[in-house]
Order: sequence, then structure tokens, then C-alpha cells
Amino acid sequence: AQKITQTQPGMFVQEKEAVTLDCTYDTSDQSYGLFWYKQPSSGEMIFLIYQGSYDEQNATEGRYSLNFQKARKSANLVISASQLGDSAMYFCAMREGTMRGKLIFGQGTELSVKP
Amino acid sequence: DTGVSQDPRHKITKRGQNVTFRCDPISEHNRLYWYRQTLGQGPEFLTYFQNEAQLEKSRLLSDRFSAERPKGSFSTLEIQRTEQGDSAMYLCASSSWTGKNTEAFFGQGTRLTVV
Repeated sequence: AQKITQTQPGMFVQEKEAVTLDCTYDTSDQSYGLFWYKQPSSGEMIFLIYQGSYDEQNATEGRYSLNFQKARKSANLVISASQLGDSAMYFCAMREGTMRGKLIFGQGTELSVKP
Repeated sequence: DTGVSQDPRHKITKRGQNVTFRCDPISEHNRLYWYRQTLGQGPEFLTYFQNEAQLEKSRLLSDRFSAERPKGSFSTLEIQRTEQGDSAMYLCASSSWTGKNTEAFFGQGTRLTVV
């Protein structure tokens, strides 16, 4: 069964520094997708970045990059130059296969950015 | 069209009452998902539709839960005979399926409190 594990319940980072949020996954599928979402206190899930299992290069979106290590089954999110507005919950999620649509989420990491 | 819209944003109901939530997806998206999120947890998949067809339902979706998407546009999620354990955030998301999945965009959720 597919599973997402986020082992850091909470993280602190100083403003303008980089931070890495960990995510490991378990699946028997060869084709899958990995996602990161941000959830501020308002509740909305905001899509950040996507990595396909066959993508050879790590995904990047602005200040967000995904450190994809397929053999280790890890998909860590790196946020560079942290901003106060980055304080939120961050969820890693996986979609198995290419046909199905549902996402399986981890338990999340609460990131706090200090001024 | 600015995104996924959910109504109401908050609902307080007495145990045993029925409640219905509505989700309006992004207009060109043919897939619509429902998730439930309890405090401190990641969202859990409930069900999803492609156009008007309900393609998958989680075992979490007991007989008291029913979802519809009658014309392939908006969707409703009904909970009958609510229980205190139903208290959660109910999130709706939509995505575009054209032979390849795209990322899902979420609404701001409906927070249900059963008293």
C-alpha cells in the first residue's frame, strides 16, 4: 500500500535562510507523481511543486525545489531564502499511476519562519 | 473564474442532523475530488468524479456519506445523521484529465463542527 511519511512535525528557520522539509514514500508502482502543497492558517491547500517518477531532473518552481532521490524513495522540499509568509503547514503527497486521480498525503510539517 | 469554490465555509450542526456541502470546481476541470482533514492530519481521500461519473470511493465513505456531481459541473457532499466524529474540514479539489493528470487545485474547505 502506498504511504507518505513526513517525520518533522515542526521546523523553525531564520528569515532569508534555506530549509529542507523531508518526505519519504512507499509504493510498488513504477509510475507515480509526487506533490508538495502549502496550507496556511486560512485552510486552503496551495500547490507548490510536482515531480514525476520518470522525470530525470529535479523540479524547481521559483524558490521551491524538490530533491528527488528515487532509490531512497525520498522527495524533500527545499525552500530557499525563506520569507515570513512561508510560515504554514506543508504536505507531501503522492499519486500512484497515471490514470488514477487521488492523492495520498503525509501528516505534514509545520514551518515557522523567524524574523 | 478564480478557483475552486466551496460553500459554506463553516457549518455547525447538531448530532443527528443532515448536512450538505457544495463545491464548484474550476470550470474547465473534468475531475473533482473530496477529501476530509482532521486536526493535525493530512487530508484523506473520500471520493472523486470524472465528469458526472463517480470513479472511486474510499472505505472512509460510510453509508451516511453520499456525493453527487449531476451534470459534471458542481458537486455536493451530503452527510446524514451526523456524528461528532464527522467534525473535520472537508476539502474539494479539481483537476484536468486529458490522458495525463495535472495538479489538483483545492478550495478553501468547509469546516464542519458537530455538537
